[in-house]
Amino acid sequence: KNEVEQSPQNLTAQEGEFITINCSYSVGISALHWLQQHPGGGIVSLFMLSSGKKKHGRLIATINIQEKHSSLHITASHPRDSAVYICAGETSGSRLTFGEGTQLTVNP
Amino acid sequence: DGGITQSPKYLFRKEGQNVTLSCEQNLNHDAMYWYRQDPGQGLRLIYYSQIVNDFQKGDIAEGYSVSREKKESFPLTVTSAQKNPTAFYLCASSPRGTGRRPYERYTFGSGTRLTVV
Repeated sequence: KNEVEQSPQNLTAQEGEFITINCSYSVGISALHWLQQHPGGGIVSLFMLSSGKKKHGRLIATINIQEKHSSLHITASHPRDSAVYICAGETSGSRLTFGEGTQLTVNP
Repeated sequence: DGGITQSPKYLFRKEGQNVTLSCEQNLNHDAMYWYRQDPGQGLRLIYYSQIVNDFQKGDIAEGYSVSREKKESFPLTVTSAQKNPTAFYLCASSPRGTGRRPYERYTFGSGTRLTVV
């Protein structure tokens, strides 16, 4: 069992739909990161959170420390949101333990 | 603009050869990291450095070596001892190090795709 698990592995949505990607972790972490990886491979940091909820544009990230669970929501999804979304737990020494990623495809 | 530069974007290596991947950052970040990504797997940590002239092995360090002679640079050498080097390699940095500042994000490079031919 991986220390950080994401679901679903693949997600296909129609433009405009509300999307949720889930992340569960079994290790102690100081922060939870949500990352976005585009087809070329480059990764962009979306959120880093240790409690509560953060919002940036159409993206919302939440974390429940007691349940060791985080979610990434995308409202009014758009084809340009198509990418791999990765959650990662930050452990000692600022190391990141990554989930396997969720491939999101948003169709027009 | 500040950021991380990885070069080259694509690299081909013959079996038995060593090859060095470059990672340079102008963000004044203390910590730098090398990750490997294989299809269908999450990123795995190869080596990391929290300060100049110091680095630690990650989860899959065998067959790799690094140096951290300058704050801005953290090159990764894939040696001939690495049995399956074909993969996508990502470099990252963060402002954390021995002087920890919380809640600051990581910055990732655009990656190097290494293929053994």
